[in-house]
Amino acid sequence: DAKTTQPPSMDCAEGRAANLPCNHSTISGNEYVYWYRQIHSQGPQYIIHGLKNNETNEMASLIITEDRKSSTLILPHATLRDTAVYYCIVRADNNAGNMLTFGGGTRLMVKP
Amino acid sequence: DTGVSQDPRHKITKRGQNVTFRCDPISEHNRLYWYRQTLGQGPEFLTYFQNEAQLEKSRLLSDRFSAERPKGSFSTLEIQRTEQGDSAMYLCASSLPVSSGNTIYFGEGSWLTVV
Repeated sequence: DAKTTQPPSMDCAEGRAANLPCNHSTISGNEYVYWYRQIHSQGPQYIIHGLKNNETNEMASLIITEDRKSSTLILPHATLRDTAVYYCIVRADNNAGNMLTFGGGTRLMVKP
Repeated sequence: DTGVSQDPRHKITKRGQNVTFRCDPISEHNRLYWYRQTLGQGPEFLTYFQNEAQLEKSRLLSDRFSAERPKGSFSTLEIQRTEQGDSAMYLCASSLPVSSGNTIYFGEGSWLTVV
């Protein structure tokens, strides 16, 4: 699976949009972009995923560039409970395990 | 609650003892994964099952680690002769069969402290 690059940490003011970038310049055509987050001492929580098109759900929006080499996770109105480590992962759609490979993630701190 | 369930949530054991963790996946999820996470690091893949078949186990950390899923439902992860370096959170996850973008869901993890 392709490797991703994320900033190690970011701050965001409560109520503002949090924009978390991810670079995945070696992504292959069959690889999806997944985002998970992990709040302290809990298991990773699925947020959203996409292949080519932008995606939105009740938690967040995912913007993928046209060349698919980077993406941005957007939390539209960050709250203190969104403080967590956010992982961007690319994952191939095949039968060889199909597991997730986690990098270091971005530690998002939402401040009052 | 229909999520991935792990038991126990916390375990303290003495070095040299054996420990076993149980994972109950989401109903009808035939794929089950085990990960380990140490402080400050992202989760690290250990092994996975498709139904009762263990299809990848080369990343189990040593021969002290073993996992089973005898009936293709719940799974156990056993660590024999525990060492202090085994202290970590052990995560279980499950998913439906691979198709376009099927999602892996994680449990809350089992914390192991070896003293």
